Amino acid sequence: GAGVSQSPSNKVTEKGKDVELRCDPISGHTALYWYRQRLGQGLEFLIYFQGNSAPDKSGLPSDRFSAERTGESVSTLTIQRTQQEDSAVYLCASSLVGTAYGYTFGSGTRLTVV
Amino acid sequence: TQLLEQSPQFLSIQEGENLTVYCNSSSVFSSLQWYRQEPGEGPVLLVTVVTGGEVKKLKRLTFQFGDARKDSSLHITAAQPGDTGLYLCAGAQGGSEKLVFGKGMKLTVNP
Repeated sequence: GAGVSQSPSNKVTEKGKDVELRCDPISGHTALYWYRQRLGQGLEFLIYFQGNSAPDKSGLPSDRFSAERTGESVSTLTIQRTQQEDSAVYLCASSLVGTAYGYTFGSGTRLTVV
Repeated sequence: TQLLEQSPQFLSIQEGENLTVYCNSSSVFSSLQWYRQEPGEGPVLLVTVVTGGEVKKLKRLTFQFGDARKDSSLHITAAQPGDTGLYLCAGAQGGSEKLVFGKGMKLTVNP
């Protein structure tokens, strides 16, 4: 596609429910990143994929968070047993040549846990 | 501890004024990037600087990477309302594939 596509754009869920967030990167971009942006905070790294492997998942906050990627395409971030502190904008980015030359971000998924 | 400190955090100015945003760290970066983010959208890459002392100009925006590759600045000349947004700096460190972001500078340019 022309850009990075994320869905849904907004998600309201009840505390304790599981949610799945989807990211469709730019075609041909081998690197894919998930970040979290909480109100008033900078972007917080969650996980990095190169192809369908995740060499760096050091930013996942707890074992309630997991992510997978199919080949060099779609990625899904899953949050189990959501908590109110999980409320944030979840941003996905992809890159063709790696970190040094910048990311293309999607518009994000705004997750609200009530 | 925030690896990249941005200042100021908020700025509200009148159209036509100049401004400078700073991005500072005690760490060395192999490259540094600036992004602009508008409400409801993801950050959009403005520039990447990779060489210490490098200066890049993008229309009314001038970006500088410090000689020691620990800091950067963004200068906007004659700001316009369309410049309003959140300006984020982000650094890449050798051997790591993730960018580290500052908290951003929220700019409002009033007509």
